Amino acid sequence: AQSVAQPEDQVNVAEGNPLTVKCTYSVSGNPYLFWYVQYPNRGLQFLLKYITGDNLVKGSYGFEAEFNKSQTSFHLKKPSALVSDSALYFCAVREIGNNAGNMLTFGGGTRLMVKP
Amino acid sequence: EAQVTQNPRYLITVTGKKLTVTCSQNMNHEYMSWYRQDPGLGLRQIYYSMNVEVTDKGDVPEGYKVSRKEKRNFPLILESPSPNQTSLYFCATHRTSGAGELFFGEGSRLTVL
Repeated sequence: AQSVAQPEDQVNVAEGNPLTVKCTYSVSGNPYLFWYVQYPNRGLQFLLKYITGDNLVKGSYGFEAEFNKSQTSFHLKKPSALVSDSALYFCAVREIGNNAGNMLTFGGGTRLMVKP
Repeated sequence: EAQVTQNPRYLITVTGKKLTVTCSQNMNHEYMSWYRQDPGLGLRQIYYSMNVEVTDKGDVPEGYKVSRKEKRNFPLILESPSPNQTSLYFCATHRTSGAGELFFGEGSRLTVL
């Protein structure tokens, strides 16, 4: 079975400061890892994903995430937060080789609030 | 433009009145899924379809039905809605590749009184 944990319901950060949104995962084998963002009254949008290779993945809107296999983590980061980054962020995992349709498991979401 | 279109976007209904939420995609993706989003629970999969006429249950299928008669359409059917099905629903598609990301519709907010 695969699972994802986002330990923080909300993260508050001042504009211009670095931000981190935490995610840990559990799979039997190796993972594909994803981050999605949801703005108010919108569907989820893909931000970035880790498949293989470099542990630091760069994505849309200046976000990046670091895959840490030993800590089973995939934290989302941005060097300088913008007010417009305020949204709900979801981490998701899929075990490599699991090609069933129910293959993606989402975390509970973390609300990011960036204050001016 | 790649799109996943859901209708209706907002619906208020009463217990027991059958309703259908439609989902249509123009990306020729094999996989389609329905999720419900509830506060603190993230997204939970209701049903998924790996191709035409191939559907299967996700994590929370009770009270829902689906069909996949055409590749582009994947409607979600609530035969007898109940208040615990009040939620935000998302349709999503993705390619066959295991590393492919999901493409989501804009969501359908359903309230069952």
